[in-house]
Amino acid sequence: RKEVEQDPGPFNVPEGATVAFNCTYSNSASQSFFWYRQDCRKEPKLLMSVYSSGNEDGRFTAQLNRASQYISLLIRDSKLSDSATYLCVVRAGNMLTFGGGTRLMVKP
Amino acid sequence: DAGITQSPRHKVTETGTPVTLRCHQTENHRYMYWYRQDPGHGLRLIHYSYGVKDTDKGEVSDGYSVSRSKTEDFLLTLESATSSQTSVYFCAISASQPGITDTQYFGPGTRLTVL
Repeated sequence: RKEVEQDPGPFNVPEGATVAFNCTYSNSASQSFFWYRQDCRKEPKLLMSVYSSGNEDGRFTAQLNRASQYISLLIRDSKLSDSATYLCVVRAGNMLTFGGGTRLMVKP
Repeated sequence: DAGITQSPRHKVTETGTPVTLRCHQTENHRYMYWYRQDPGHGLRLIHYSYGVKDTDKGEVSDGYSVSRSKTEDFLLTLESATSSQTSVYFCAISASQPGITDTQYFGPGTRLTVL
């Protein structure tokens, strides 16, 4: 079983749609959680951290459920520019573990 | 954007040849990392450095060595490249130890093909 699991997608959605991605992690000692965004053939970039109480950054909302070891990312009012791969990232100790990513394609 | 460059950006080499990839940063960050990214595996840590001459192994270190003689440079060497090392290699930096500040900034990547 992978330490961080994501549905690879692709998720094909129309502009303006709301889309949600999920991620599960296996290490109960994980301490920090993140979503990174990666455009095709580019480097990953931090999108947002994920806090236990849930947090929002504009159209993006992240949630963490420690009991279920589950992280989610909700994107509202999808834009064409949101098309990318979204990586779920978990820290345990001094190491980051990356999920395989979920690909999102937003269509006009 | 963080000042991280990687060289070369693309390389094709033959099995058995040595290859060195370079990561250069202008941020004076203490921590540097080498990852590889392959379809179906996500990013996996190869080696990391927590200071000049201080390095440690990551998840997939076999077949790789690293060196850090200056704060700004972190070299990844494949002593004898194999086809299984065909991948995209990313360097990353962070200002502090994970847990103090978790954000890692990535370089643009090096696409390596071993024939």
